[in-house]
Amino acid sequence: GEDVEQSLFLSVREGDSSVINCTYTDSSSTYLYWYKQEPGAGLQLLTYIFSNMDMKQDQRLTVLLNKKDKHLSLRIADTQTGDSAIYFCAESRDTGRRALTFGSGTRLQVQP
Amino acid sequence: EPEVTQTPSHQVTQMGQEVILRCVPISNHLYFYWYRQILGQKVEFLVSFYNNEISEKSEIFDDRFSVERPDGSNFTLKIRSTKLEDSAMYFCASCIGGANEKLFFGSGTQLSVL
Repeated sequence: GEDVEQSLFLSVREGDSSVINCTYTDSSSTYLYWYKQEPGAGLQLLTYIFSNMDMKQDQRLTVLLNKKDKHLSLRIADTQTGDSAIYFCAESRDTGRRALTFGSGTRLQVQP
Repeated sequence: EPEVTQTPSHQVTQMGQEVILRCVPISNHLYFYWYRQILGQKVEFLVSFYNNEISEKSEIFDDRFSVERPDGSNFTLKIRSTKLEDSAMYFCASCIGGANEKLFFGSGTQLSVL
């Protein structure tokens, strides 16, 4: 079955760039997502990328996709303390099911 | 901005009881989902619902679970004969469908089965 893996924890200093990595196993993955979860809150969609793209930039966020290696990364430029949260990578196939398979989440801690 | 709303935010129940978790998806969305997240674990897919029927369900969604869209706005998850292991955060999500694959999640209902 599908599997999505992420490292569990990342600590950076305020103002630095953060890079959160994700690997997935399903070669049929068509849509790849990054969600943010703040304490006690739901999942907020940050950005997504289609599998026919290799990069997407949205303000401070840059998503890189290496489809050959099934590797996805999220780069946050000029990381702020408000970026501290858990970041989930997720994938779905274009089967019409549209269900997402999530990674375990990476806890980003931003130190002032 | 439109959002998915879930009630209640917290639900405590005794093992063996029935619970209903409620969701109001975004009004023009056509696909509806329930996910859950056991504390410290991955977010897991439970069920998807489209055109008034279940499109897909996971192994977690056994015969104790059911979903319903009783009117044009609400989408509910019912769990009968609750077990301790049903304790989790339950997230409702909706998607407009078509070419737009973005799923929007509610803030969740924390279910505690005692």
